Amino acid sequence: DQQVKQNSPSLSVQEGRISILNCDYTNSMFDYFLWYKKYPAEGPTFLISISSIKDKNEDGRFTVFLNKSAKHLSLHIVPSQPGDSAVYFCAASYTDKLIFGTGTRLQVFP
Amino acid sequence: SQTIHQWPATLVQPVGSPLSLECTVEGTSNPNLYWYRQAAGRGLQLLFYSVGIGQISSEVPQNLSASRPQDRQFILSSKKLLLSDSGFYLCAWSVGNAYEQYFGPGTRLTVT
Repeated sequence: DQQVKQNSPSLSVQEGRISILNCDYTNSMFDYFLWYKKYPAEGPTFLISISSIKDKNEDGRFTVFLNKSAKHLSLHIVPSQPGDSAVYFCAASYTDKLIFGTGTRLQVFP
Repeated sequence: SQTIHQWPATLVQPVGSPLSLECTVEGTSNPNLYWYRQAAGRGLQLLFYSVGIGQISSEVPQNLSASRPQDRQFILSSKKLLLSDSGFYLCAWSVGNAYEQYFGPGTRLTVT
């Protein structure tokens, strides 16, 4: 039972344009959501997070939106840069554990 | 600042052999520690977590075990590896009630 889903395994975006990565969840008890970025053969790096009591959090080029009624969150990267090419995981917090999605591979091309 | 170490970085082991992966954290006290596995084409699966010395919670029944002999040391073990144990193993830490977890560089395990 996949409680956190990233239905798009890959996304290709031109440099300078907006990248939108999506994540859906099923458990309404999740109280905090996070995005991680992962390069090959490295551990994930924490990127940005949002509490379930908010609907938006912004940090530089990265913005996370949360739609609780739809059980959906998204990560916007604008403008996209070649260095953003990586696998992005969304995660949801339940008690003291994180439940991860399967990841979306973002490729930013010139 | 906090640092997390994992070793070895890569490991190739035959089926039936034992396993010991080590993780240590520097720069913080009483961290929460986690072991995850990323299988090919899959997300991160939580295997074990620990909130203190000797306190281990298992998330997935399997032939792996974990131990926390010291405050900032977390060990993942197996007595006999299976082919299905192949994957990328990640250690992570967090502090107190913070949601954010911070990951180590990972160990690529290939069981042949």
